[in-house]
Amino acid sequence: GENVEQHPSTLSVQEGDSAVIKCTYSDSASNYFPWYKQELGKRPQLIIDIRSNVGEKKDQRIAVTLNKTAKHFSLHITETQPEDSAVYFCAARILNTPLVFGKGTRLSVIA
Amino acid sequence: GAVVSQHPSRVICKSGTSVKIECRSLDFQATTMFWYRQFPKQSLMLMATSNEGSKATYEQGVEKDKFLINHASLTLSTLTVTSAHPEDSSFYICSASALGREVNYGYTFGSGTRLTVV
Repeated sequence: GENVEQHPSTLSVQEGDSAVIKCTYSDSASNYFPWYKQELGKRPQLIIDIRSNVGEKKDQRIAVTLNKTAKHFSLHITETQPEDSAVYFCAARILNTPLVFGKGTRLSVIA
Repeated sequence: GAVVSQHPSRVICKSGTSVKIECRSLDFQATTMFWYRQFPKQSLMLMATSNEGSKATYEQGVEKDKFLINHASLTLSTLTVTSAHPEDSSFYICSASALGREVNYGYTFGSGTRLTVV
């Protein structure tokens, strides 16, 4: 089955700097790659996603890139703010199968 | 659209008792629901996949007799933790999927249930 690796496990950046989180997946048939933000004690919230027919997607300060050949995808957050501090999870799946999550990255934005 | 409601949000129970958690899709019919468990500072681990009207499919290592899943209707799935032990204390969260609907609907999560077994 699918296996998703996520790095780094923790990340600290200064406010205003960029943050990059990387994930790799194992199953070349996976075609959907969402990113979730989870604040303490709350449900994961979808922040951006990308499908296998697209190489890059951007939404304001957040962008995701996908390299299907290398089987990796990345989350980029620019101009980070303290409220971006949270745990971020990447995930991957094949259509109509459950999501497989990475282990998460704890992002701390230092004011 | 794509709202998933989960209850209760928090529950404390005594060892040996059973706890039922409900997951409802409020504005669409969920043909499939997924149940995840999340231990502190860890990722979400899939426990089981339930399809309406059929038996749930459990992931390796998840005891089906301990974690009873019922998906009797297209809008409701329940997870019952039977004979709960302190090691079952965790954050349980569901999500729902609908065949033929926008793929993102499958990954709207319920609000989660924090179970504490004392």
